[in-house]
Parts: sequence; C-alpha cells; structure tokens
Amino acid sequence: DIQMTQSPSSVSASVGDRVTITCRASQGIYSWLAWYQQKPGQAPKLLIYAASVLQSGVPSRFSGSGSGTDFTLTISSLQPEDFATYYCQQAKSFPSITFGQGTRVEIK
Amino acid sequence: QVQLVQSGAEVKKPGASVKVSCQASGYTFTDYAITWVRQAPGQGLEWLGWIAPYNGDTKYSQILQARVTLTTDTPTSTAYLELRSLTSDDTAIYYCAFGTDLPYYFDSWGQGTLVTVSS
Repeated sequence: DIQMTQSPSSVSASVGDRVTITCRASQGIYSWLAWYQQKPGQAPKLLIYAASVLQSGVPSRFSGSGSGTDFTLTISSLQPEDFATYYCQQAKSFPSITFGQGTRVEIK
Repeated sequence: QVQLVQSGAEVKKPGASVKVSCQASGYTFTDYAITWVRQAPGQGLEWLGWIAPYNGDTKYSQILQARVTLTTDTPTSTAYLELRSLTSDDTAIYYCAFGTDLPYYFDSWGQGTLVTVSS
C-alpha cells in the first residue's frame, strides 16, 4: 500500500499569511495527487487534482506543486474561510486510494 | 445538478450489521463508479472500497474486506455499503463519493451517514 504522510499535523496562522502544507508518498506516484479541504460537519471538498490543477471554482490563492514523492499545497494569502483541515490523496493505485492524515489550519 | 443523498444516522450494537445507502441524481448512475470513505470522530479519511455500477466490479480495503459488501441497485440509482460484525472502532461518518469528469478524484460527495456502535 502507498502511505501518505502530511506535515505539519497542524499550523497556526493569521489572515493574510502564506501557508504551505507538505505531503510525501511512500513511493513515486507521478502526479496522481489531489488536495481536499474539510470544514467541521462537512464532506471534503476537492481543491486541486493532478498535483497542480485547480478545481473549477476554487480561489486562485490555492496552488499545488510537486511530482514523484513530494508535494505541496500553498495558500498564498490565508482568508478567514480557509481555516479548515486539509488532506492529500494519492490516486496512483486507484481504486485503492489513500489519504494523508490531515493538516489542521488554525487561527493564530 | 449532481447529488448524492445518503441514509440517516444509525445506532447499532456490537456484533450487528449496518447498511448505508447513497442515492444518486442528476447524472446517469451507471456512468461513474462510487467510492466509499469513512471518518472516525476526530480522525482522518479512510478508504473502504469502490464499486462500478456499470459492471458490478468491486475493490475492497484489505483491512475490512471480510466484513464489507458494496452493492448497487441501478433502477433506483442507489449504492449500498453493508458492514458486518460491528465494533466500537466502526463508529464513524461514512461517505459515498465519485468524480464526475475526474475518475480518480472526488468532486461529488454525499452528506455523510453517522454510524454509532455502542452497547
């Protein structure tokens, strides 16, 4: 199984800050990676797929990069509505996908 | 619009079984496979399995393979997850999801079904 490890597990930041979250795969997954945002009481929301493609309707302050084993989600200027938990998901072994353990973005 | 509507919350005793439904609308049900994911309280997302309504193919998490069955009912555009021999570790929100034009990622999710296992 492909394991996904996110870091940090939580980050405290202020509105306007640049936030970077990292996801590392236990083996190469090319660009088969997505990022999701989840707010309390809600289902996850797809932000980015294929490592760097912004899903329709997602603000451009979100961006993704990386390939192989190391990936990054960046929020260029944190907004109040961005405080949430973020998950990466590998799709190389689809349909047997795996998620990272999540990164909680908290208000500083 | 595309919508996945799941059945309501369930409370089960240890050792019992639960069957969660996920009714699709707004698209042709057999066009896309359905993935099931769960989330224990305060925890991350765990993949449970996948089913292709167009041919019935399934793929299950190795951890749960012996206890889980995914099925679909095409006339009602409904997918089902059945989990047997429940323990407290199965207490979680169960989600169905699929990707409309992105078969490997999930842009449509059900609202989730809370399954609580308690004696």
